[in-house]
Amino acid sequence: EAGVVQSPRYKIIEKKQPVAFWCNPISGHNTLYWYLQNLGQGPELLIRYENEEAVDDSQLPKDRFSAERLKGVDSTLKIQPAELGDSAVYLCASSLGLLAGGTGELFFGEGSRLTVL
Amino acid sequence: GDSVTQMEGPVTLSEEAFLTINCTYTATGYPSLFWYVQYPGEGLQLLLKATKADDKGSNKGFEATYRKETTSFHLEKGSVQVSDSAVYFCALSDRGDDKIIFGKGTRLHILP
Repeated sequence: EAGVVQSPRYKIIEKKQPVAFWCNPISGHNTLYWYLQNLGQGPELLIRYENEEAVDDSQLPKDRFSAERLKGVDSTLKIQPAELGDSAVYLCASSLGLLAGGTGELFFGEGSRLTVL
Repeated sequence: GDSVTQMEGPVTLSEEAFLTINCTYTATGYPSLFWYVQYPGEGLQLLLKATKADDKGSNKGFEATYRKETTSFHLEKGSVQVSDSAVYFCALSDRGDDKIIFGKGTRLHILP
């Protein structure tokens, strides 16, 4: 079974440029998460989807960040314009959520490392 | 709000040493507790979990016991190996909610 797939693995851009990250979750997983991980820190939730609905986006900086999960499967996270402080690893994870009868275990992709110059 | 606090690293041990990584939590309900591990160059993966008080999660020689009275979920291993070198994250999930909150992580170095 394929795991969570993220792309690109690495991205280097200049500040004020846009960037987009893509995530393909494990088939059948209804819950999808985007996390931000700064160096030496734990993952911090940006947004959580239940199917196609964003149920928790309270930590998403909506002035420059946007996300979508079309048809409740793949998801895209966009930053426009990027700032120097956005340099980090963006993690996507999926799960068959507790509310859907799953275990709540998160399955993570390898992450997309963003460097803003 | 809910939170997780774990001991700061890095932790450096010799091979076959005993390992403890402390984790305490704050939650309004009765959370499920997890340890995730991130090996170099890889994504995070679940190491073990416990869903109720006094449960013991175990995997790959690691153990952690859900202690409600001390709100703790300390990770232990009796004899570490070089291959255990990684970053370990304690996490919780409040029941009835799929939100997972992570600690800051503890980097573990095992010397041969």
